[in-house]
Amino acid sequence: EAQVTQNPRYLITVTGKKLTVTCSQNMNHEYMSWYRQDPGLGLRQIYYSMNVEATDKGDVPEGYKVSRKEKRNFPLILESPSPNQTSLYFCASSPSGGNEQFFGPGTRLTVL
Amino acid sequence: GNSVTQMEGPVTLSEEAFLTINCTYTATGYPSLFWYVQYPGEGLQLLLKATKADDKGSNKGFEATYRKETTSFHLEKGSVQVSDSAVYFCALRLIGNQFYFGTGTSLTVIP
Repeated sequence: EAQVTQNPRYLITVTGKKLTVTCSQNMNHEYMSWYRQDPGLGLRQIYYSMNVEATDKGDVPEGYKVSRKEKRNFPLILESPSPNQTSLYFCASSPSGGNEQFFGPGTRLTVL
Repeated sequence: GNSVTQMEGPVTLSEEAFLTINCTYTATGYPSLFWYVQYPGEGLQLLLKATKADDKGSNKGFEATYRKETTSFHLEKGSVQVSDSAVYFCALRLIGNQFYFGTGTSLTVIP
């Protein structure tokens, strides 16, 4: 089944404890992206990647890192999480250029 | 800057009513425009898209026309069903493949 998977789905952590949210797609898509969804703000793009070893900042990249060493994986790294990063995070992938994006199920992160 | 503005919800309609969700945008260049739908507990799914001015996107009875002169991409459906209850997001994609989403409009359709 073609899909985008994210792990973990739910995470509660404390300020300053490094964490990684994984994202993997099995559709051989070139484009991958991370978003955060907050009430009243909609989805905001954090980072995106056009292909392996090619990443670009989205609208709200501060406090996040990403890497794209393999085509299928695009992990989101929070080196020192803070409470304002409490949010619902979505990973998405697309065959090329982001025309139709396929979204993962989301990761709900709480930073205490 | 670049942004998407869509009408605030929540919107509650009776089954078979006409739906309009307004969306306007501000963008440099000539963006592609999208409507995504999010059902409870799920990720977003593409509903329809338009890549240039005057294009009409359509899917599952929903339609939206890319109006460059009014920088709008309003979503319409002639007769909504209970199964259309969801959150709808308007979005734009810039030439550099950066995306901007609106805040979402929650729709509830009652029998």
